[in-house]
Amino acid sequence: DTAVSQTPKYLVTQMGNDKSIKCEQNLGHDTMYWYKQDSKKFLKIMFSYNNKELIINETVPNRFSPKSPDKAHLNLHINSLELGDSAVYFCASSQDGRGTPRGYTFGSGTRLTVV
Amino acid sequence: AQTVTQSQPEMSVQEAETVTLSCTYDTSESNYYLFWYKQPPSRQMILVIRQEAYKQQNATENRFSVNFQKAAKSFSLKISDSQLGDTAMYFCAFMKHEANFNKFYFGSGTKLNVKP
Repeated sequence: DTAVSQTPKYLVTQMGNDKSIKCEQNLGHDTMYWYKQDSKKFLKIMFSYNNKELIINETVPNRFSPKSPDKAHLNLHINSLELGDSAVYFCASSQDGRGTPRGYTFGSGTRLTVV
Repeated sequence: AQTVTQSQPEMSVQEAETVTLSCTYDTSESNYYLFWYKQPPSRQMILVIRQEAYKQQNATENRFSVNFQKAAKSFSLKISDSQLGDTAMYFCAFMKHEANFNKFYFGSGTKLNVKP
């Protein structure tokens, strides 16, 4: 019954590796997002896809590449991981367009630790 | 550009008492939405309450209520009868509709400690 599910929940990896985080939502929402939460808990948007189309691409190193095979999935691939990439990454979704927005539904986060 | 400011990095309250978390925002929009999210130690982000800017009535959800002052661009969260489970980070968020999607802006968060 999980609405927005992210895998894995924890990821520990060495510098220079490539890793992916997967996100799936079963809410039928049109838009999905990736946020990065740093050690000071600040939430910063990275990407957003609306019906598989990239609509937000904030200032993020091009080592980060989102992929949306369909509107229920938004994966995040990170190449050549660096120490500064250590953070919690949140996936979220929202139903945009018609009706009153109900806000985001968040996944449970992926804690990425680069060593 | 929209900004959201939470001026209280950390607050404490005794169990069963009332606490108010502050949030101000800056926007030139007239139609927008405001939210409070809770992030307990489990890390899960949970929607607490939301407010439509066009509604004058303050939103209420059980022990949680807001004081929305549109002219002052203020959106504070009041938690009544605080419980230990209310211990969490609280994020204020501003949302506006842009093209065909909704864009969110989050504050930096307030860490609330509820003491027994």
